[in-house]
Amino acid sequence: QAGLTQPPSVSRALRQTATLTCTGSSSNVGNQGAVWLQQHQGHPPKLLSDRNNQRPSGISERFSASRSGNTASLTIIGLQPEDEADYYCSAWDSSLSVVVFGGGTKLTVL
Amino acid sequence: QLQLQESGPGLVKPSETLSLTCTVSGDSISSNSYYWGWIRQPPGKGLEWIGNIYYSGRTFYNPSLKSRVTISLDTSKNQFSLRLSSVTAADTGVYYCAVPPTLMSWGQGTLVTVSS
Repeated sequence: QAGLTQPPSVSRALRQTATLTCTGSSSNVGNQGAVWLQQHQGHPPKLLSDRNNQRPSGISERFSASRSGNTASLTIIGLQPEDEADYYCSAWDSSLSVVVFGGGTKLTVL
Repeated sequence: QLQLQESGPGLVKPSETLSLTCTVSGDSISSNSYYWGWIRQPPGKGLEWIGNIYYSGRTFYNPSLKSRVTISLDTSKNQFSLRLSSVTAADTGVYYCAVPPTLMSWGQGTLVTVSS
C-alpha cells in the first residue's frame, strides 16, 4: 500500500530547531492525523505525539506536532545530542483499512 | 500501564512458518480499547505494518502479506499471536507487537532470522 513520505535525512546544529515532515493523503494523514515515533538504534520505537498532536506523559515539551492538510510536521526545539535518532510517522488509512508508515527520517545533530 | 512482550523462535527455516506470541499485561486483550498488532523491521530498514486484530476477532492485514499472515487472540492467556507462512530471507527482521494505530505501547521486539 502507498506509504507516507518523509525526507530520508535532516541535519541541524546543537540547540537549533528541526522540523520533520510527513506527507500522506486525504484518506490517512488528512482525516486521521498522524502519530510520531522516535527510535534509537537497537531500541523499539517510542511514541512522541498521538494523532491529535498530543504528547504522551513524559515526552519533553521540546517536541511538538502539527498538521496542515495532508502533511504532518514534528518540530524539535533546542536540539540535544540525545535527539539524534530515526523518526517515523504513521497513520490509519480509512479508505484501505491499513496502517501506513513513513520511510523514516534520520536526524543528525551536529 | 500497558506492557507487551514478544516470544518465539529466533531462527526459522525457509518455507516454514514463523510463529510469535505477544503477552499483554496491564489490561485485558478482550478490552475494546485497543487494536492489537504486529509490526516488523528488516535489518537497517524502516517499519512495516503486518496486521491488527480487534477484541472481537476482526482482523486487518497488510495486503502485501495477507495471503501468508494469521493473527489470533488467546483470551485465556491474555496473548495474541502471529503466524507467517512460507517464509523467505526477506522475512528476516525484528518483530514487534504493539497497539496500532495509536502505537502508544510496544514490545521490546524479537529478532527472527530466516535461514537454513
